[in-house]
Amino acid sequence: DIQMTQSPSSLSASVGDRVTITCRASQSISRYLNWYQQKPGKAPKLLIYAASSLQSGVPSRFSGSGSGTDFTLTISSLQPEDFATYYCQQSYSTPLYTFGQGTRLEIK
Amino acid sequence: QVQLVESGGGLVKPGGSLRLSCAVSGFTFSDYYMSWIRQAPGKGLEWVSNITSSGTFVNYADSVKGRFTISRDNAKNSLYLQMNSLRAEDTAVYYCAREHFYYGSGSTFDWWGQGTLVTVSS
Repeated sequence: DIQMTQSPSSLSASVGDRVTITCRASQSISRYLNWYQQKPGKAPKLLIYAASSLQSGVPSRFSGSGSGTDFTLTISSLQPEDFATYYCQQSYSTPLYTFGQGTRLEIK
Repeated sequence: QVQLVESGGGLVKPGGSLRLSCAVSGFTFSDYYMSWIRQAPGKGLEWVSNITSSGTFVNYADSVKGRFTISRDNAKNSLYLQMNSLRAEDTAVYYCAREHFYYGSGSTFDWWGQGTLVTVSS
């Protein structure tokens, strides 16, 4: 199975900060990498697909980059509604999908 | 609008069975692969199973293989997960999710239900 490792596991930041979350795959997954946002008690929401494509309706302050084994999710200017947990997910080894362990983004 | 609504969760004893349902509306159900994904309390996301659009092919995570069965009824716009021989470690919120394939870019879970909680405890 392809293992996905996110760093950091948790992060404190302030409104207006630029934040970067990293996701590393245990083997090359090309650009088959998605990012999700999950708020407490809610279902995950798709933010970024294919490493860098913004899902319809997602604010442009979210961006993704990377290929191979290393990927990043960047939020250019944190808004209050962005405090949540973020997950990466690989779709290279369809259908044996795997997620990262999550990064909890908290208010400083 | 797209809606996925899970039901059927609850408290069950170890070794027991439960059947989850996911009622879908707002898109042509029979055009899409569907998945079940679970989240143990306070933990991350784990893909459980998926089924092709026609229901011909199914796949399972090793952790549930031989115990869970995924199925669908395209006439009823519904997805199911039959869970047998349940264990404490199956305790989780179970989400149904639509799989969307992007040509040359892999697939995503682009729509999710609100989840249904399954608790396995004596």
